Parts: sequence; C-alpha cells; structure tokens
Amino acid sequence: AQKITQTQPGMFVQEKEAVTLDCTYDTSDQSYGLFWYKQPSSGEMIFLIYQGSYDEQNATEGRYSLNFQKARKSANLVISASQLGDSAMYFCAMREPYNQGGKLIFGQGTELSVKP
Amino acid sequence: ETGVTQTPRHLVMGMTNKKSLKCEQHLGHNAMYWYKQSAKKPLELMFVYNFKEQTENNSVPSRFSPECPNSSHLFLHLHTLQPEDSALYLCASSQDRGLAKTDTQYFGPGTRLTVL
Repeated sequence: AQKITQTQPGMFVQEKEAVTLDCTYDTSDQSYGLFWYKQPSSGEMIFLIYQGSYDEQNATEGRYSLNFQKARKSANLVISASQLGDSAMYFCAMREPYNQGGKLIFGQGTELSVKP
Repeated sequence: ETGVTQTPRHLVMGMTNKKSLKCEQHLGHNAMYWYKQSAKKPLELMFVYNFKEQTENNSVPSRFSPECPNSSHLFLHLHTLQPEDSALYLCASSQDRGLAKTDTQYFGPGTRLTVL
C-alpha cells in the first residue's frame, strides 16, 4: 500500500531564509503523482506544486521547488526567501494510479513557523 | 464565485440533529471528493464522485450520506452523529482522477463541524 511520511512535525525558519520540508513515499507503482499543499489556520488546502513520477526535471512554482529524488523515494519541498505568510501546515500527498482508484494519500503534515 | 466553495463554514449540531454540508465547484471539473480532517491526523478520504457517480466509499459510517446531483454540486448529509465526528470536512474537485498535473485536486475552505 502507498504511504507518505513527513518526519518533521514542526519547523522554524527565519524570515527571508530558505527552508526544506521533508517527504518520503512508499509505492510499488511506476506511475504516480506527488503534490504539496499548504493549509493556513483558516483551513483551506492550497495547492502549491506537482511532480509526476516520469518528470525528469524538478518542479518549480515561484518560490516553491520540489527536490525529487526518485531512487530515494523522496519529494522534499524547498521554500526560498521565506515570508511571514508562509507560516502554515504543509502536507505532502501522493496520487494513486487511476486503475487503483486515483486516491490522494496525505502525510501527517509539517507545521512551519516563520520568525520575523 | 470562483474555485470551490463550501457552506456553512462552521456548524454546531447535537447528536440527534440532521444537517447538510454543501460544496460547489466553479471549475468545470468532473470529479468531486469529501475528506475528513480530525485534529492531529492526516486527511481521510470519505467519498469520491466521478461524473455524478459514486466511485469510492472509504468505509464511511452510514450516518454520513453523500449526494451528487450534478458535476458541480456535492452534499454531505449528516444524521445522528457522534462527538468523535467533530472535524474539518473538506470538499475537493479535479478535472479527472488521473495522475497528470491537470488532475490536481482543488479544495474548498472546509466546514468546521462540532457535534455536542
């Protein structure tokens, strides 16, 4: 069965510095999709970035980049130039293949606090 | 309105009440989802609808009853809930249930439910 592991319950970073949030996954499938979402205290899950298992390049979206290491089954999120508004819960998720239901499986989350 | 909307944002109900949560997506998507997020736990998928047909029921108790009258609207009918059902209920939609970036799930702001 697929599994997502986020080993950092909480992280602190100084404003304007970069931070890496860890995510490892376990799957026997060759095809899968990896996602990162941000959840502020308001509750909404905000999509940040996507990485397909066959993508050779690491995904980037503005200040967000995904450090994809397929052999190590890791998909770490890097946030550059942290801002106070980045303080939130961050969830890594993996999409199962369509023929297995296409479910999105989430990790436990990492709470990021940005210090001024 | 754009994106995914959910009403109400907050709901307090007694164990004998009947209430409904509503979700509406304005993205032209074909798949819709209900998730439950309890404190300190990862998101749990409850139901999936694809083209108005239920494709997944993740062993959810019958006191939760979903309804999808069309591809844009999704309801979760609640009846005789338990205090442990108190949680954040999130609705999401996606173009389809595949692995492409275009099948990214977009979430609504959630309904924070308290069962007394």
